[in-house]
Amino acid sequence: EAQVTQNPRYLITVTGKKLTVTCSQNMNHEYMSWYRQDPGLGLRQIYYSMNVEVTDKGDVPEGYKVSRKEKRNFPLILESPSPNQTSLYFCASSRRQGRSEKLFFGSGTQLSVL
Amino acid sequence: GDSVTQMEGPVTLSEEAFLTINCTYTATGYPSLFWYVQYPGEGLQLLLKATKADDKGSNKGFEATYRKETTSFHLEKGSVQVSDSAVYFCALDDSNQFYFGTGTSLTVIP
Repeated sequence: EAQVTQNPRYLITVTGKKLTVTCSQNMNHEYMSWYRQDPGLGLRQIYYSMNVEVTDKGDVPEGYKVSRKEKRNFPLILESPSPNQTSLYFCASSRRQGRSEKLFFGSGTQLSVL
Repeated sequence: GDSVTQMEGPVTLSEEAFLTINCTYTATGYPSLFWYVQYPGEGLQLLLKATKADDKGSNKGFEATYRKETTSFHLEKGSVQVSDSAVYFCALDDSNQFYFGTGTSLTVIP
């Protein structure tokens, strides 16, 4: 089954404790991206990757890191989480970035930073 | 920069009512336009899309027409069902990035 898998689904942590949210897709997609969803703000893009070893900042990259060493994986790293990073996070992928290519979304990771 | 503005929610309708969710956009190029739907506890799923002016996207009874002159992509459905209750996001794709609206929550009551 074609899917985007994120882990964990829920995560509670404390300020400053490094964490990684994993994202994996099994569709051989070139493009992958991370979003955060906050009430009243919709989805905002954090980082995206056009292909292996190619990453770029989205609209809200501060406090986040990503890497794309393999085509299928695109982990999101919070080196020193802060309470304002409490949010619902989604990973998404598409065959390639361009006109009309739809995004496939993971089920989300609800992160709480205390 | 690019942006998407959609109507504030929440929207509550009775079953079989007509639905319109307004969406307007700002873009420097010629973007593709999308509507995504998010059911409770799930990620977003593509509902429909349109890639150029005057295109009409349709799926599951929902429709939206790409209007370049009014920079709009309003979502419509003639008769909503309880199963349509979800959050709806308008989005545009402008080369490297997707831009999403803030989402409109729809609740359909029997």
